[in-house]
Amino acid sequence: GAVVSQHPSRVICKSGTSVKIECRSLDFQATTMFWYRQFPKQSLMLMATSNEGSKATYEQGVEKDKFLINHASLTLSTLTVTSAHPEDSSFYICSASNPAGGFNEQFFGPGTRLTVL
Amino acid sequence: AQSVAQPEDQVNVAEGNPLTVKCTYSVSGNPYLFWYVQYPNRGLQFLLKYITGDNLVKGSYGFEAEFNKSQTSFHLKKPSALVSDSALYFCAVRDRSGGYNKLIFGAGTRLAVHP
Repeated sequence: GAVVSQHPSRVICKSGTSVKIECRSLDFQATTMFWYRQFPKQSLMLMATSNEGSKATYEQGVEKDKFLINHASLTLSTLTVTSAHPEDSSFYICSASNPAGGFNEQFFGPGTRLTVL
Repeated sequence: AQSVAQPEDQVNVAEGNPLTVKCTYSVSGNPYLFWYVQYPNRGLQFLLKYITGDNLVKGSYGFEAEFNKSQTSFHLKKPSALVSDSALYFCAVRDRSGGYNKLIFGAGTRLAVHP
């Protein structure tokens, strides 16, 4: 149980375009989802935390207008990178949890590699 | 603020030998500590966690970790390493600031197990 999927697994886009990444909890309801980015050979940096039906809470230094997060249902959160630039190229990983439902740990998706040309 | 440190960028060990991946923590209050493993181009897989109770925590794939309050450490261990254990290992601590159970990760330690 506690499977989290991400789509797409890999995306290449041109500079200036927007890219949407989906994160789904497949077998449990995720009241809270987290979005991380990971640069090569570096650790995961938390970008934002989202609760279903409410606005995301962004970490300091993360541009909320650039990284749009929507958590419209208990099984789906999306991250949209708007007007992407090469410096946005990274590995984006989501995780999901539901402490009230017994899923206290964060369960991680497989990640999405974004390359902006 | 909660934080964890992984002092080693890389650990090399021969197959069959015991392995240790180090982690130290700095927290206010009781620590909730985790170990995750990441294989290339993959998300993180949960290995084990310490919340309370026995200082020796057993986890997945034969891994265990020892919580040491006096040394503020939570080192990951395995009695006999496998080549397939080669991966990137992250120590993490729970941070409740903002009302969410956020995870703060260490820099990661790359484990290389040689045949």
